[in-house]
Amino acid sequence: GAGVSQSPSNKVTEKGKDVELRCDPISGHTALYWYRQRLGQGLEFLIYFQGNSAPDKSGLPSDRFSAERTGESVSTLTIQRTQQEDSAVYLCASSSRDTSSYNSPLHFGNGTRLTVT
Amino acid sequence: GQSLEQPSEVTAVEGAIVQINCTYQTSGFYGLSWYQQHDGGAPTFLSYNALDGLEETGRFSSFLSRSDSYGYLLLQELQMKDSASYFCAVRAPEGSSASKIIFGSGTRLSIRP
Repeated sequence: GAGVSQSPSNKVTEKGKDVELRCDPISGHTALYWYRQRLGQGLEFLIYFQGNSAPDKSGLPSDRFSAERTGESVSTLTIQRTQQEDSAVYLCASSSRDTSSYNSPLHFGNGTRLTVT
Repeated sequence: GQSLEQPSEVTAVEGAIVQINCTYQTSGFYGLSWYQQHDGGAPTFLSYNALDGLEETGRFSSFLSRSDSYGYLLLQELQMKDSASYFCAVRAPEGSSASKIIFGSGTRLSIRP
């Protein structure tokens, strides 16, 4: 595809249910990032992948959050036992390199808007 | 830890020039980036500075001073379509991760005619 694709675009769920959010990065992009953005707020780092490995999981808010990536492509972010404070837009981004000294701009998807009722 | 600070809101007049500042604190530093996000849209990359000085891309310029841990985004000939939120971001190492990218809280730019 031409860009980063996220699905679903909107998700309404009841408190306590599990949700799974999907991200399809740009083909060939090795690095993949997940961010959370609450209404009117900045981008909160959750996790990033280099290939299928996640070197840094420090941003995951709690053990209810988990993420995986397979085939150096699709990633899923799973939130178990959702709470109302989980309501936010979850943004996925990919980049072509993972070199600390090189500019690798992030290409973002349009996000999944999660509402927990 | 790492943190970035930028003003929460800036207002400017169409056709004018506006500067959005960003100060950062990181344990290491590999460059300062800027992203634009329109309401309801995805952030899009604007510019990147790894070295001190000014980088110009059309109406937008970005400046970095590593000694001051400071940068800014300069927008010239403002247009109504420039109304958006602007985020600075750093790619900085912490622990074993060299590619964690942290964003500031964003500056909401409002343009008035």
